Amino acid sequence: GDSVTQMEGPVTLSEEAFLTINCTYTATGYPSLFWYVQYPGEGLQLLLKATKADDKGSNKGFEATYRKETTSFHLEKGSVQVSDSAVYFCALSDLEDDKIIFGKGTRLHILP
Amino acid sequence: DGGITQSPKYLFRKEGQNVTLSCEQNLNHDAMYWYRQDPGQGLRLIYYSQIVNDFQKGDIAEGYSVSREKKESFPLTVTSAQKNPTAFYLCASSQRVSQPQHFGDGTRLSIL
Repeated sequence: GDSVTQMEGPVTLSEEAFLTINCTYTATGYPSLFWYVQYPGEGLQLLLKATKADDKGSNKGFEATYRKETTSFHLEKGSVQVSDSAVYFCALSDLEDDKIIFGKGTRLHILP
Repeated sequence: DGGITQSPKYLFRKEGQNVTLSCEQNLNHDAMYWYRQDPGQGLRLIYYSQIVNDFQKGDIAEGYSVSREKKESFPLTVTSAQKNPTAFYLCASSQRVSQPQHFGDGTRLSIL
C-alpha cells in the first residue's frame, strides 16, 4: 500500500542555517503531496502542496519539489528562524485509495 | 472566520467512564476525521466520515465511537473499552476525502 517515510528527528539547527527535511513516498497511483506544520499545543496547518510531478510548492520561505523519478518531496528553507521550531509532517493523498497518509513527523529545534 | 473548533482543550476521565469530545466546523466540508497523536508518534486515524449519517473505521477504531448527524458536527466518544485513552486527539475536515485537511487545535485527554 501507499506509504510516506520521513527522516527521524529531532533536527537541531542554529538560526539562519539551511534546512532540509527528507521525505520519500511509495504510491501506486499519482498522488498529491503535502507538508503540514504543527506548533506546540496546536493542530496541524497545511504549509505547502504539489499536485503533479515537477511542481514546486512554496510558503513562508519553505519550498518542496515533487520529484517523481526519485519519489521524493524534500522540505527546504534557506535561513531558518527560532519561530520555525515545530513538528513537520509529510503526507500524500491518492485518489485511487481516496485517503491521506501522513508520515511520522520530524521535530525541528532552532537555537538562537 | 471559518475553521474547526474542538472542545474542551483539556479533558479528564475517570476509570470506567465514557467521555465525548466535540468537533464543529463551519467550512461547509463534507469529510471529517478523528486522529489520535501519542508523544513521538505520528497521526493515527480513528474514524472518518465522507457524508452525513455515514462513517468508516480507521486504523484504531476499537474503544471509540462517532456519530455524524449534522454536516458541521462529528463528536467522538472515548468509551471505557479504550484501555489506554491518554493522548492528544485531533479533529480535521476537508471538502472531500483526499483533499487537504484543516485541523482543530486538539483535545488533550488524561486519566484520573
